[in-house]
Amino acid sequence: GENVEQHPSTLSVQEGDSAVIKCTYSDSASNYFPWYKQELGKRPQLIIDIRSNVGEKKDQRIAVTLNKTAKHFSLHITETQPEDSAVYFCATPGSGNTGKLIFGQGTTLQVKP
Amino acid sequence: DTGVSQDPRHKITKRGQNVTFRCDPISEHNRLYWYRQTLGQGPEFLTYFQNEAQLEKSRLLSDRFSAERPKGSFSTLEIQRTEQGDSAMYLCASSSIIDSYEKLFFGSGTQLSVL
Repeated sequence: GENVEQHPSTLSVQEGDSAVIKCTYSDSASNYFPWYKQELGKRPQLIIDIRSNVGEKKDQRIAVTLNKTAKHFSLHITETQPEDSAVYFCATPGSGNTGKLIFGQGTTLQVKP
Repeated sequence: DTGVSQDPRHKITKRGQNVTFRCDPISEHNRLYWYRQTLGQGPEFLTYFQNEAQLEKSRLLSDRFSAERPKGSFSTLEIQRTEQGDSAMYLCASSSIIDSYEKLFFGSGTQLSVL
């Protein structure tokens, strides 16, 4: 079955710096790659996603890149702010197109003011 | 708040007791999912419904777990004879097809502690 590995598990950056989180997946048929942000004690929220026929997608300070050949996708946050501090999860449904997602282990991002 | 709501937010129970959680999805969403999340891990899929039909159950879901969605609206997840290993956050999500892809909207979860 599909397996998703996420790195790093923790990331600490200074406010204003960039942060990059990387995920690798095993199922070459995977076609959709969402990223979720979960603040302490709150629900996971979809922040950005990318489909397999697109290499990069941007939304303000957030971008996601996809390398299908290498089977990895990354979240890039530029000009980080303290409110970006949270746990970030990558996910994929594998070859299916349902809400049955396989999640990575999560990255705890701390942005120091 | 028109998002996914879950009740209760927290549940403390003694080992061996039964517990039931409720999830109310976003009203126009046909699919409803249950996930479990333990500390420091990503959510793990448990089961999902299309309207009232339960379409898939994870192998993680032991016989002590049962989920229902009787009228295709709210759902309940029951755990019988709870064990300490059941302690986790139980997340519910409903989904919508956006740009041809199914996207999940999560509730705030029910935190279960089994003593």
